[in-house]
Amino acid sequence: DTEVTQTPKHLVMGMTNKKSLKCEQHMGHRAMYWYKQKAKKPPELMFVYSYEKLSINESVPSRFSPECPNSSLLNLHLHALQPEDSALYLCASSPDRDYQPQHFGDGTRLSIL
Amino acid sequence: AQSVAQPEDQVNVAEGNPLTVKCTYSVSGNPYLFWYVQYPNRGLQFLLKYITGDNLVKGSYGFEAEFNKSQTSFHLKKPSALVSDSALYFCAVFLSNTGNQFYFGTGTSLTVIP
Repeated sequence: DTEVTQTPKHLVMGMTNKKSLKCEQHMGHRAMYWYKQKAKKPPELMFVYSYEKLSINESVPSRFSPECPNSSLLNLHLHALQPEDSALYLCASSPDRDYQPQHFGDGTRLSIL
Repeated sequence: AQSVAQPEDQVNVAEGNPLTVKCTYSVSGNPYLFWYVQYPNRGLQFLLKYITGDNLVKGSYGFEAEFNKSQTSFHLKKPSALVSDSALYFCAVFLSNTGNQFYFGTGTSLTVIP
């Protein structure tokens, strides 16, 4: 069982919809991450939160909007996505933004119609 | 550029045989190196890491890796492969001089043949 929980596991949405992905961890980790992963490719870093503050935004389009309501929760708000945004979205956490291993959730598989 | 490379997209090995998944790195300073595994429809799972110390690192599920500074390599090994080891393996490096981030290799798909 993973210690990082992501919901929903699957999401199908149209290009005009608004939806949100949710990530939760209760390990007391202070760094949380969003990654995008295409099939059989490495994860691509999207956003990093450290102590609930956004510290890295890897030039992600504004149709992706992250939010960190508290130290255990991370959301990714989606609006007006494109078909090329279809991918597996992974959330991860680590004790701090250092070289400690990241703990990954099982992801949300997103399909854009 | 600082990075890790996985030269093989696909590795096939017979069950019971030793397996090796290759990783080379190119970083300035001391590298912090990691191996992750991804099973189908799952997230990445941490296997092992090299930070400092003994060059042979032991990790989860019987995997180990050897840090070789002269060859700039960090190959993942297991003495006897299981069918359940079939998965996607990623080598990663942590870089503190570019914003404290992990950079992943391109991944190697391992198939263990019964």
